[in-house]
Amino acid sequence: SQTIHQWPATLVQPVGSPLSLECTVEGTSNPNLYWYRQAAGRGLQLLFYSVGIGQISSEVPQNLSASRPQDRQFILSSKKLLLSDSGFYLCAWGGLAASGQFFGPGTRLTVL
Amino acid sequence: RKEVEQDPGPFNVPEGATVAFNCTYSNSASQSFFWYRQDCRKEPKLLMSVYSSGNEDGRFTAQLNRASQYISLLIRDSKLSDSATYLCVVLGGGFKTIFGAGTRLFVKA
Repeated sequence: SQTIHQWPATLVQPVGSPLSLECTVEGTSNPNLYWYRQAAGRGLQLLFYSVGIGQISSEVPQNLSASRPQDRQFILSSKKLLLSDSGFYLCAWGGLAASGQFFGPGTRLTVL
Repeated sequence: RKEVEQDPGPFNVPEGATVAFNCTYSNSASQSFFWYRQDCRKEPKLLMSVYSSGNEDGRFTAQLNRASQYISLLIRDSKLSDSATYLCVVLGGGFKTIFGAGTRLFVKA
């Protein structure tokens, strides 16, 4: 069966510091991978998606970036965090789009 | 107009009640539809896909009305464990995935 891992579970970072969140998937090959952010009390916002190694599409312009160095690894990064980057970051994988997406446990980021 | 809009919550219902959520979407070219469930401070979990002909999974029934551009979720015989936020999700062209803001459900004993 497929599993998806994210770490860390929680993170507190100062404004202006860098960020690196990692997501890995097991039990599937060539998955579509997604990064979402959920602000407190808000819906999920799609940040990036990837259909293959090195292929990244950005949905929202921001100071975040994503990379996919391996088939089942997806990384979210920032060079300098802003207060507005606080939120719940979720990685998801999917196969066929019509089959839905499956989420990792998320990272709760607080920028102070 | 938001791309995906859901009933504002919260819904407070007693155990055993039937409750229905609606969700409207603005893009008539949307192709796939889903309901997710999200517990407090947890990741969303896929509850069910929504098919044109309507589909049922135990106590849950989902329906799609393409002409009016809305989907619905019906929960029968509500359980305490059904308390959660229910997210409506619409997939447009390609990988454009739009989540609704969610509707909170509280089922009371």
